Amino acid sequence: DTGVSQNPRHKITKRGQNVTFRCDPISEHNRLYWYRQTLGQGPEFLTYFQNEAQLEKSRLLSDRFSAERPKGSFSTLEIQRTEQGDSAMYLCASSPGGMFVTEAFFGQGTRLTVV
Amino acid sequence: AQSVTQLGSHVSVSEGALVLLRCNYSSSVPPYLFWYVQYPNQGLQLLLKYTTGATLVKGINGFEAEFKKSETSFHLTKPSAHMSDAAEYFCAVSAGGDMRFGAGTRLTVKP
Repeated sequence: DTGVSQNPRHKITKRGQNVTFRCDPISEHNRLYWYRQTLGQGPEFLTYFQNEAQLEKSRLLSDRFSAERPKGSFSTLEIQRTEQGDSAMYLCASSPGGMFVTEAFFGQGTRLTVV
Repeated sequence: AQSVTQLGSHVSVSEGALVLLRCNYSSSVPPYLFWYVQYPNQGLQLLLKYTTGATLVKGINGFEAEFKKSETSFHLTKPSAHMSDAAEYFCAVSAGGDMRFGAGTRLTVKP
């Protein structure tokens, strides 16, 4: 297993366009998380899945953002009508199940630039 | 809901000096606590974690942290800084199915 994989690594898009990112978690992990990180800040929680169920979504996440994990394996994060403020690093992480998170394994991230 | 506060967005030490990065948490239930490190243009890597048991935990690269419930703290230390320790460090807390991070502390190591 090569760990958590995110694609693409970099994305430049024009304001108003839609973008979609993909995350492939570690295969036996049933939890998957999305975070957003801007320069000089910590990862900001966006949403997480337990298998295919989306269990929590940040109130900071506007309705332009949607995430799916249709078969409980890979996940996609879509941003519609992108804005310059969406420019950030989008991080995906996965972890085994259990009541608490015992360790989250992170991908390299997708850096989004909205011009 | 759980949260963490990292005191000091930037810490600078000399090579060989003690490293101390501060983290305080807030949680309504006994938490799990973590320190992650991020090098430029790389993902987050786990340094160490506290789940249950011994309150002093040791991690990679000579780092350790102590869980102090009375102080709601989980400070990260290393006795002697190395140039390769220069990075961004994040404290995180889990008190349920997700994990929340602090704003981070950038560690600079001077020769």
